[in-house]
Amino acid sequence: GDSVTQMEGPVTLSEEAFLTINCTYTATGYPSLFWYVQYPGEGLQLLLKATKADDKGSNKGFEATYRKETTSFHLEKGSVQVSDSAVYFCALIMEGSNYKLTFGKGTLLTVNP
Amino acid sequence: DADVTQTPRNRITKTGKRIMLECSQTKGHDRMYWYRQDPGLGLRLIYYSFDVKDINKGEISDGYSVSRQAQAKFSLSLESAIPNQTALYFCATSDRINEQFFGPGTRLTVL
Repeated sequence: GDSVTQMEGPVTLSEEAFLTINCTYTATGYPSLFWYVQYPGEGLQLLLKATKADDKGSNKGFEATYRKETTSFHLEKGSVQVSDSAVYFCALIMEGSNYKLTFGKGTLLTVNP
Repeated sequence: DADVTQTPRNRITKTGKRIMLECSQTKGHDRMYWYRQDPGLGLRLIYYSFDVKDINKGEISDGYSVSRQAQAKFSLSLESAIPNQTALYFCATSDRINEQFFGPGTRLTVL
């Protein structure tokens, strides 16, 4: 079945450091890909998405590019802030799957001042 | 006001008790979902509903049931709670354009 694998955390960075959280997927077709963020004590929020190969999703300084050849959707940010501390989830939806999200296990990011 | 609300936000109950978690949305979406989140396991789908008359099991439906009382309301029940149902439960909604909107979660502890 479809699956998402993301780098295990926790990830601890200093403010203004560069962030990469790796995400790869396994799917029988061409999924839409998402990054969700969960701030402490809150529900998940969509951070960015990409619906086809070579699309780049971006939001709040975060970016991720849909790479079909490597089945990857790595999340990057050039300069993290303390307020970026959260759990990040990579996810996919397959067309024809009744729009069921398949999530990775999540990566906890802590940014220190 | 929040678009997706969940009640209660926290609940402690005992093994064998029946408990209901409620979800309401004001987004006008047809599709609603229940997930549970466990540390290190991400989110797993329990049940989903595409309209009032359409209910479907997710990957971990055993021990749970749901009711779609109206387009805006989707409840999750644990008929006889057990300790391994201790988790964070999320409701979500979506329209037909893939993005899902999540509620704030209910933290359930079964003693």
